[in-house]
Amino acid sequence: NAGVTQTPKFRILKIGQSMTLQCTQDMNHNYMYWYRQDPGMGLKLIYYSVGAGITDKGEVPNGYNVSRSTTEDFPLRLELAAPSQTSVYFCASSSGTGGQETQYFGPGTRLLVL
Amino acid sequence: AQSVTQLGSHVSVSEGALVLLRCNYSSSVPPYLFWYVQYPNQGLQLLLKYTSAATLVKGINGFEAEFKKSETSFHLTKPSAHMSDAAEYFCAVRVNRDDKIIFGKGTRLHILP
Repeated sequence: NAGVTQTPKFRILKIGQSMTLQCTQDMNHNYMYWYRQDPGMGLKLIYYSVGAGITDKGEVPNGYNVSRSTTEDFPLRLELAAPSQTSVYFCASSSGTGGQETQYFGPGTRLLVL
Repeated sequence: AQSVTQLGSHVSVSEGALVLLRCNYSSSVPPYLFWYVQYPNQGLQLLLKYTSAATLVKGINGFEAEFKKSETSFHLTKPSAHMSDAAEYFCAVRVNRDDKIIFGKGTRLHILP
């Protein structure tokens, strides 16, 4: 199993550009998440999905969009990049929310918006 | 609302010394508690989790944590630090099964030779 994979690893965007961060998991997990990590701030939840066709906002959704057309894929879309979106983005998946499920994280995408 | 506080954004210990990373949570009911570790340029991985089966939880790489309801704490310890333990550690909490996990701000552990 590859687990959770993310592409690209690193990207530089100009203000106003758009891009899609890709996330794929091969564990057949229903739940998937997008987080952003800023220095000293921990992880903030952007969006999450409880299954194909179902998505919901997290703590910091503004400026982002997601879709979940398959169980495996959960792409994150930035439509108009802003410097405030400079961050490291992590995708994660879990088998459910029985409460104690482990979240499995991808290696991250480092995004710089200039 | 659930929350988690990690005391100390940076902790330094000598190789071979005790590691103690502090985590306090806020919840009116016993929560689910987790410790994750993040090595440089990698994603987070689970160290251990509290699932109410036992208050002392053992994890990978010799780490353990004790759930203390009276102190609302879930501190992470390791008897003897190793250079490979240098990483950032995150405490996380979930109160109800339908809640999202809330992560603390992280503690970066430095190991001194």
